[in-house]
Amino acid sequence: DSGVTQTPKHLITATGQRVTLRCSPRSGDLSVYWYQQSLDQGLQFLIHYYNGEERAKGNILERFSAQQFPDLHSELNLSSLELGDSALYFCASSAWGDTGELFFGEGSRLTVL
Amino acid sequence: AQKVTQAQTEISVVEKEDVTLDCVYETRDTTYYLFWYKQPPSGELVFLIRRNSFDEQNEISGRYSWNFQKSTSSFNFTITASQVVDSAVYFCALRPNTGFQKLVFGTGTRLLVSP
Repeated sequence: DSGVTQTPKHLITATGQRVTLRCSPRSGDLSVYWYQQSLDQGLQFLIHYYNGEERAKGNILERFSAQQFPDLHSELNLSSLELGDSALYFCASSAWGDTGELFFGEGSRLTVL
Repeated sequence: AQKVTQAQTEISVVEKEDVTLDCVYETRDTTYYLFWYKQPPSGELVFLIRRNSFDEQNEISGRYSWNFQKSTSSFNFTITASQVVDSAVYFCALRPNTGFQKLVFGTGTRLLVSP
């Protein structure tokens, strides 16, 4: 158990819909990262938040947005969903100033029909 | 630019065989971290090891060992006496040591260990 909690574990929705994925980092970790894992793109970095502030953006679509709240949990919002958005979405956390490993949650598997 | 290459897409071995997973990386940074993660069929990503670019000592942890060679930009992972439970996708990753930077992952190597 990494200590990172993601909900929901599985989500099935239709094209055009909007979903929200939630992540609770390890206790004390201020950094939250979101990654997308799809069959054709592999593990792609989406966005990084540190203590409520956006720190880095990766290959995140404009239809996607994220935020980190004062209690440090984070949400990834995916809107106007397309079939190609079907993927496993991972949240990871790390401690302040730590340039070491990221601890990943179990992922949220999104299926868009 | 940072890049990690795992040329082996899939490896199949029989239990008790030794197997080496290759990882080659590219970076212009002088300091960086290298990682291996395991993704079992259940889907989660499990951290295995972190290596600082200044530390080229090989590491052994039980049946796992890692060979870091800066001269060839490689960070290979060997499983000795493989077991069925080792079946998973293994990812090599790179992270520069310059602040809050993301991990760059390779495409992964699927290891199938049959009884």
